[in-house]
Amino acid sequence: QKEVEQNSGPLSVPEGAIASLNCTYSDRGSQSFFWYRQYSGKSPELIMFIYSNGDKEDGRFTAQLNKASQYVSLLIRDSQPSDSATYLCAVSPFSGGYNKLIFGAGTRLAVHP
Amino acid sequence: KAGVTQTPRYLIKTRGQQVTLSCSPISGHRSVSWYQQTPGQGLQFLFEYFSETQRNKGNFPGRFSGRQFSNSRSEMNVSTLELGDSALYLCASSEGQGSSEQYFGPGTRLTVT
Repeated sequence: QKEVEQNSGPLSVPEGAIASLNCTYSDRGSQSFFWYRQYSGKSPELIMFIYSNGDKEDGRFTAQLNKASQYVSLLIRDSQPSDSATYLCAVSPFSGGYNKLIFGAGTRLAVHP
Repeated sequence: KAGVTQTPRYLIKTRGQQVTLSCSPISGHRSVSWYQQTPGQGLQFLFEYFSETQRNKGNFPGRFSGRQFSNSRSEMNVSTLELGDSALYLCASSEGQGSSEQYFGPGTRLTVT
């Protein structure tokens, strides 16, 4: 079993719709959770992070964390063609600045006009 | 603030050679982490340096090594290159204390022939 699992996609949504990206992790002791966006040929860009159970909103993005179910998700509201990219879920066993991220394989999102 | 910088951006080496990659973190950031990204294995953690000390290490052979200087700049070295070392090498910068958010540089694309 992989440590961080994501559906590889592609997830295809129409412009203006809500895109829902999901991620599960196996280490119950995981402390920190991140979503990165990676455009083809570019490096990953941090778009959301969440440390506590519940929802965290930032603009059109909402991250949701459920530690009991070992599940983290990213919602993108009002999806735009410019959101088309691979979204990487990353999990860290540490908190407080100790850095080691375990990445999922990524979900490719395609937003069509 | 300027972002994370990595040099060189592209590199072609021959099997058996060694290579050194450089990373300059965001000003004020004291933690530098290195990752390898390949189509087959995805993003994998190599190691993390904080205040010139290796704080975390991934599951890579000893041919992969790194160091950090007093100005937080970091280098990673790969000796006795193998064809399988062809990858995008990414450096990520973080404050290192109390904050786990990591910001990636543009990466170095290494091709081993």
